[in-house]
Amino acid sequence: QKEVEQNSGPLSVPEGAIASLNCTYSDRGSQSFFWYRQYSGKSPELIMFIYSNGDKEDGRFTAQLNKASQYVSLLIRDSQPSDSATYLCAVRSDFGNEKLTFGTGTRLTIIP
Amino acid sequence: DAGVTQSPTHLIKTRGQQVTLRCSPKSGHDTVSWYQQALGQGPQFIFQYYEEEERQRGNFPDRFSGHQFPNYSSELNVNALLLGDSALYLCASSPAGTSGGDYEQYFGPGTRLTVT
Repeated sequence: QKEVEQNSGPLSVPEGAIASLNCTYSDRGSQSFFWYRQYSGKSPELIMFIYSNGDKEDGRFTAQLNKASQYVSLLIRDSQPSDSATYLCAVRSDFGNEKLTFGTGTRLTIIP
Repeated sequence: DAGVTQSPTHLIKTRGQQVTLRCSPKSGHDTVSWYQQALGQGPQFIFQYYEEEERQRGNFPDRFSGHQFPNYSSELNVNALLLGDSALYLCASSPAGTSGGDYEQYFGPGTRLTVT
């Protein structure tokens, strides 16, 4: 079982709709969760992080964390063509363990 | 406020050669992590440097080594290059005084290494 799993996609969403990206992780002791956006040929850009169960909103983005289900998601409201990218989920297992473990990413395409 | 910078942008090397990649962290950051990202994969953790020492290492062979300088910049060295070392090498920095606490890592633009 992979440590961090994401559906590779591609996920196609009409412009203006809500895009929902999902991620599951295997280490129940994981503490910190991050979403990065990566455009083709570019480096990952941090867009959201969440440490506590529940929802965290930042503009059009909402991260949701459920530690009991070992599940983290990212919602993108009012999707724009510029949101078309690969979204990487990353997990840090515990405080003092510095490495981020990434999923393989979900490729999102917003259809105008 | 300068972000994370890396050099060079692209590099082509031959099998068996050695390569050095460089990274300068974001202003105010003292911790540097290196990742390798193969095509179609997520980044894989190589190692992290803090206070000029390797603090943690991922599952990479000893051919991969690094260094951190007093100004917090860092180098990644790869010896005896293999074709499989072709990848995007990413440097990420994180804020000062973050040992054992919450923090976020910010990536540089990366160095694209091609081994022929």
